[in-house]
Amino acid sequence: RKEVEQDPGPFNVPEGATVAFNCTYSNSASQSFFWYRQDCRKEPKLLMSVYSSGNEDGRFTAQLNRASQYISLLIRDSKLSDSATYLCVVNGEDSSYKLIFGSGTRLLVRP
Amino acid sequence: DADVTQTPRNRITKTGKRIMLECSQTKGHDRMYWYRQDPGLGLRLIYYSFDVKDINKGEISDGYSVSRQAQAKFSLSLESAIPNQTALYFCATGTGGEEQYFGPGTRLTVT
Repeated sequence: RKEVEQDPGPFNVPEGATVAFNCTYSNSASQSFFWYRQDCRKEPKLLMSVYSSGNEDGRFTAQLNRASQYISLLIRDSKLSDSATYLCVVNGEDSSYKLIFGSGTRLLVRP
Repeated sequence: DADVTQTPRNRITKTGKRIMLECSQTKGHDRMYWYRQDPGLGLRLIYYSFDVKDINKGEISDGYSVSRQAQAKFSLSLESAIPNQTALYFCATGTGGEEQYFGPGTRLTVT
């Protein structure tokens, strides 16, 4: 079983749509959670951290469910520029601050 | 100027050749990482370093070696390249546990 699992997609949505991605992780001891965004052939960049209480940044909302070990990302009012791959990331099981990356969910926003 | 730079950006080499990928950063971070990315597999950690005297293997270190020449420089070597090392390689820096900052990547093809 992968440590971090994501639906690879692609999710193909029209502009203005709301879309949600989920991700599950296997290590119940993980303490830090993130969503990274990766454009085609580019480097990953941090989109947002995910806190236990949930957090929102503009059109983006991230939620964490520790009991079920899943993380979600909600994008409202999708823009063409949101088209990218979204990587779910958790920290490793030890204290070395290694990050474990999911393989990503691809989002395509069409006009 | 970019905070994390990688050279070369693209490289085609033959099986059995030695190749070095270089990474430099101006962010002043102690922690540096090398990842490879393959389609459908996400980012996998090759090696990481928490300071100049600290080098650690990641999950896929076989066939690779690293050198931390200075706080700002972390190079990855393939002593004898093989075709299944064809991948996109990313260097990253961080301060520990939170955001990692990635270089633009090196696309390596081993024929």
